[in-house]
Amino acid sequence: DIVMTQSPDSLAVSLGERATINCKSSQSVLYSSSNKNYLAWYQQKPGQPPKLLIYWASTRESGVPDRFSGSGSGTDFTLTISSLQAEDVAVYYCQQYYSTPCSFGQGTKLGIK
Amino acid sequence: EVQLLESGGGLVQPGGSLRLSCAASGFTFSNYAMTWVRQAPGKGLEWVSTISGLGSSTYYEDSVKGRFTISRDNSKNTLYLQMNTLRVDDTAVYYCAKDYSSGPDDYMDVWGKGTTVTVSS
Repeated sequence: DIVMTQSPDSLAVSLGERATINCKSSQSVLYSSSNKNYLAWYQQKPGQPPKLLIYWASTRESGVPDRFSGSGSGTDFTLTISSLQAEDVAVYYCQQYYSTPCSFGQGTKLGIK
Repeated sequence: EVQLLESGGGLVQPGGSLRLSCAASGFTFSNYAMTWVRQAPGKGLEWVSTISGLGSSTYYEDSVKGRFTISRDNSKNTLYLQMNTLRVDDTAVYYCAKDYSSGPDDYMDVWGKGTTVTVSS
């Protein structure tokens, strides 16, 4: 099974500043035949279900603000929020869907400094 | 609008059973795999089970194999999770989620609000 590890566990950033969350998989989630990374990012606000932000490691879901971006390939990935807004306070999870069972990172709690 | 609405959660004693339902609307239900994901209190997300669009293939997390059964009724646009021999560590919010394709190796693009299962004596 693929293990997903996020860093840091928690993060506090000033409003308007950049936030960066890392995600590492225990094995590559890049399918060579399609050249796609099977990696998604979700946002979960308190008391709400998760919301899909990014898939294929860097494709933004429809309606997601462009301050959210995903990057990386193989085993190392990053979610970046270019200019933190108050409504971005949440827990963020990465997920690999390269193989069953799919697996999530432990989550990164993002707050305001 | 795509919507998922879970129901069936509640308080049950260890060893008991519960059946969760997820009513889907706004998309062609049979075209998509569906997944259950759970979240224990104060913890992260844990994949539980996935079923293919036509219901012919099912997949389970190891700790629920043999105890949980995922199924679907495409004529009713409804997903189910039959949970037997429940344990205290099954306590969680259970989310129903739509896969982006026919599965099983998918991301989940729509999530329900969740239903709470509490296993306690």
